[in-house]
Amino acid sequence: NAGVMQNPRHLVRRRGQEARLRCSPMKGHSHVYWYRQLPEEGLKFMVYLQKENIIDESGMPKERFSAEFPKEGPSILRIQQVVRGDSAAYFCASSPDLGVYEQYFGPGTRLTVT
Amino acid sequence: DAKTTQPTSMDCAEGRAANLPCNHSTISGNEYVYWYRQIHSQGPQYIIHGLKNNETNEMASLIITEDRKSSTLILPHATLRDTAVYYCIVRAYSGNTPLVFGKGTRLSVIA
Repeated sequence: NAGVMQNPRHLVRRRGQEARLRCSPMKGHSHVYWYRQLPEEGLKFMVYLQKENIIDESGMPKERFSAEFPKEGPSILRIQQVVRGDSAAYFCASSPDLGVYEQYFGPGTRLTVT
Repeated sequence: DAKTTQPTSMDCAEGRAANLPCNHSTISGNEYVYWYRQIHSQGPQYIIHGLKNNETNEMASLIITEDRKSSTLILPHATLRDTAVYYCIVRAYSGNTPLVFGKGTRLSVIA
């Protein structure tokens, strides 16, 4: 059973460009969470999605950031018009519907804005 | 904000038990204690969780005090690969909810 997959693992963008980060949850998991880790800081929750629905986006910046988890395909975290302060590691986690509520994390995408 | 307090860092000799404390004095009745670790910027890894009874799995043991205001994660025979930041997290077990990470404890296992 493959783990949570994220791609790309490393992404370099110039200021003003768009960044798209993809997350494929573990098989059988329909809950996806995105977290951000700024350099030398802890992980901060951004958004929680269940297939086609945003459940909790309380940690998402109000502008330039959006997330989706379509019926088919991976979850996407989109950052428009990136700025240097967006440089961070972005982690995705998934959990199943029933019974077990542990979250399983992917390896992360390291975004560098130049 | 995180509802837990952990020491910033700890050292442990290889092969010895590592005991990582966590204070969660404001924990409520429906909240569990979870432990995760993050090895050198990798994705966090689930270790163990518990409500009020002590728990053990293949990775670690979790000892929760009777009043539930604190707990200790025990790695029985620490290896160099256990060097990581360990996060103690209090979380309601009412379903899928986000994890609130604090600063954690940076454990260094020394040969």
